Amino acid sequence: GAGVSQSPSNKVTEKGKDVELRCDPISGHTALYWYRQSLGQGLEFLIYFQGNSAPDKSGLPSDRFSAERTGGSVSTLTIQRTQQEDSAVYLCASSFGTSGDTEAFFGQGTRLTVV
Amino acid sequence: QKEVEQNSGPLSVPEGAIASLNCTYSDRGSQSFFWYRQYSGKSPELIMFIYSNGDKEDGRFTAQLNKASQYVSLLIRDSQPSDSATYLCAVTGTALIFGKGTTLSVSS
Repeated sequence: GAGVSQSPSNKVTEKGKDVELRCDPISGHTALYWYRQSLGQGLEFLIYFQGNSAPDKSGLPSDRFSAERTGGSVSTLTIQRTQQEDSAVYLCASSFGTSGDTEAFFGQGTRLTVV
Repeated sequence: QKEVEQNSGPLSVPEGAIASLNCTYSDRGSQSFFWYRQYSGKSPELIMFIYSNGDKEDGRFTAQLNKASQYVSLLIRDSQPSDSATYLCAVTGTALIFGKGTTLSVSS
């Protein structure tokens, strides 16, 4: 596609339910990032995939959060047993890499509301 | 823990003035430095990147990098009301880490 695509755009879920958020990066981009942005806050780094290397999971806030990237393309962020504090916009970005003038392009985000 | 620090603001400047946005980072191994702009309710978009010490100019924007001081700044000349947004500093060593952003308000 022309840009980074995320789905769904909005998700309302009940506390305790599991949710899956999807990111389809720009074709050919080897790097993929997930961020969380709470209302009025900055971008909190969650996880980073680069090619076939092991992902950098250092930003995942708890073991309820996991992510995978299949075939070096589409990524899914899974949140198990959702809590109200998980409510936020989840942003995905992709780039050709991380060095020099590599620009990360963002998707439109998934707004998650846990009720 | 790699950190990127920014003053949250708000920074208020009159139209036509120079806006100065600052950022410090903790990881001396950081290689590339970016400024993103985020309008309310929208996703971030890249304004500039810099990876060598010194200044880099692009139109009304100038990015400044001082690796010895672990400091990055963004100057916006002739500020316009349309520049009102949150400006995010981002740094890479491996992953792309963002600061919390500085909110800029330009009054007409």
